[in-house]
Amino acid sequence: AQTVTQSQPEMSVQEAETVTLSCTYDTSENNYYLFWYKQPPSRQMILVIRQEAYKQQNATENRFSVNFQKAAKSFSLKISDSQLGDTAMYFCACNSGGGADGLTFGKGTHLIIQP
Amino acid sequence: NAGVTQTPKFRILKIGQSMTLQCTQDMNHNYMYWYRQDPGMGLKLIYYSVGAGITDKGEVPNGYNVSRSTTEDFPLRLELAAPSQTSVYFCASSYTRQGDYEQYFGPGTRLTVT
Repeated sequence: AQTVTQSQPEMSVQEAETVTLSCTYDTSENNYYLFWYKQPPSRQMILVIRQEAYKQQNATENRFSVNFQKAAKSFSLKISDSQLGDTAMYFCACNSGGGADGLTFGKGTHLIIQP
Repeated sequence: NAGVTQTPKFRILKIGQSMTLQCTQDMNHNYMYWYRQDPGMGLKLIYYSVGAGITDKGEVPNGYNVSRSTTEDFPLRLELAAPSQTSVYFCASSYTRQGDYEQYFGPGTRLTVT
């Protein structure tokens, strides 16, 4: 069984600032994957970035990057040069290497980008 | 590719009624999933399937049934709807090839049971 914890229910920053969303997880698997999903008001789930646990290098996708600390079971998301369109719910999620048993999600962080 | 499609988008049920939420994917994914999202919460897994004819329970399966007769379709059946099943339901699918476990989500179905 896996658990994912997001301790920041809501965050608000000014446009163009950098913001970091926190996530901790717990799993007994050696091979697992971590994801950040974005859910805008349209409620569509959009993959932001993913990290494979066996890779030490932190994943990066344009303005989005992660800080993956495997020993601490921490997986934070950094958004640089934040934009108004980044306003959304952000969910951290984990699944085991086989992928068959689905994703375990945190409760989410509501990120608000102020103009 | 349409990706993952779900119907209906919205539905209101009376207590005790039944309905089927439809889910179809055209990406030839073998894994499919049903999740529910309650207000202020993350998604929770209801059922999943690793291929046609194979299904298994997730974290919150009570009150639901599924079937998988084809690779493309994975309907979710609600029997005897209860207010506790008021939620947004998401269907998802994924590949199983090594290193690519991204799940692709449908747009969701908002269900209200009154």
